[in-house]
Amino acid sequence: EVHLVESGGGLVQPGRSLRLSCAASGFTFDDYAMHWVRQAPGKGLEWVSGISWNRHDIDYADSVKGRFTITRDNAKNSLYLQMDTLRTEDTALYYCVKDTGGGYAYFSAWGQGTTVTVSS
Amino acid sequence: EIVLTQSPATLSLSPGERATLSCRASQSVSAYLAWYQQKPGQAPRLLIYDTSNRATGIPARFSGSGSGTDFTLTISSLEPEDFAVYYCQQRSNWPLTFGGGTKVEIK
Repeated sequence: EVHLVESGGGLVQPGRSLRLSCAASGFTFDDYAMHWVRQAPGKGLEWVSGISWNRHDIDYADSVKGRFTITRDNAKNSLYLQMDTLRTEDTALYYCVKDTGGGYAYFSAWGQGTTVTVSS
Repeated sequence: EIVLTQSPATLSLSPGERATLSCRASQSVSAYLAWYQQKPGQAPRLLIYDTSNRATGIPARFSGSGSGTDFTLTISSLEPEDFAVYYCQQRSNWPLTFGGGTKVEIK
C-alpha cells in the first residue's frame, strides 16, 4: 500500500523559510515523478511543483517560482520542498502527491498533508 | 496558463439520481483531463484520467467524456458516499491546473 507522510509544516512569519519533507513507502519511489499540491483553507487545489523520477525535469507554479525549490532523495525515498520568502498567501495544507507514472502528471496517491501558516 | 472552469458550483441531488458535472478549458487540452473526488477532511482521490479511464478501484457508476475544451463527469446513480467536492485537472500544458470544484450535496 502506498504511504506518503508529510512533515515540517508550522507557523512562520512572512519572509521566513520552511522546509517540508515527505516520506514515501509502499512503491518503488524512483520509478515515479512526485509533486506538491496545496489547498488554502476553504479553497480549491493548486499544483505547486513537480519533479521527475531522475530530477531532470522540474517545474513550478508561477506563484512560487523563484521562492520554492523541490528536491528528492531516491536513496531515502523522500521528497522535499524548500520554501523561502514565505507570504501570507502561501498559507495552506500542503500535500505530497505521487504521479501516476514517470511524469504523466496525474495524481494517483496523496498524503494527508502538512499545514503551513504564514502570519506575523 | 490553462484555466479550467467547473459548473455548476453546487449540485443538489438525491441519492439514486444522476449527476452531471462540467469542466471547460480556456484552450484545448486534447484528452489530458482528470477528475478527483474530495470528501471533508480527506485528501483528494483520483477517479478518472485521460478523460474517460477509471482509476484503480473506481466504481463503474463514474464515467468521463469529452475532448478539446469541454468535459463531463457523470455519476449514473448517486450513492450516499458520493456526496463530495469534485475537481478537474489538466496535464496538457505546464503549469498543471485544477478547476475550482463542484460540490455535490444532498438535496
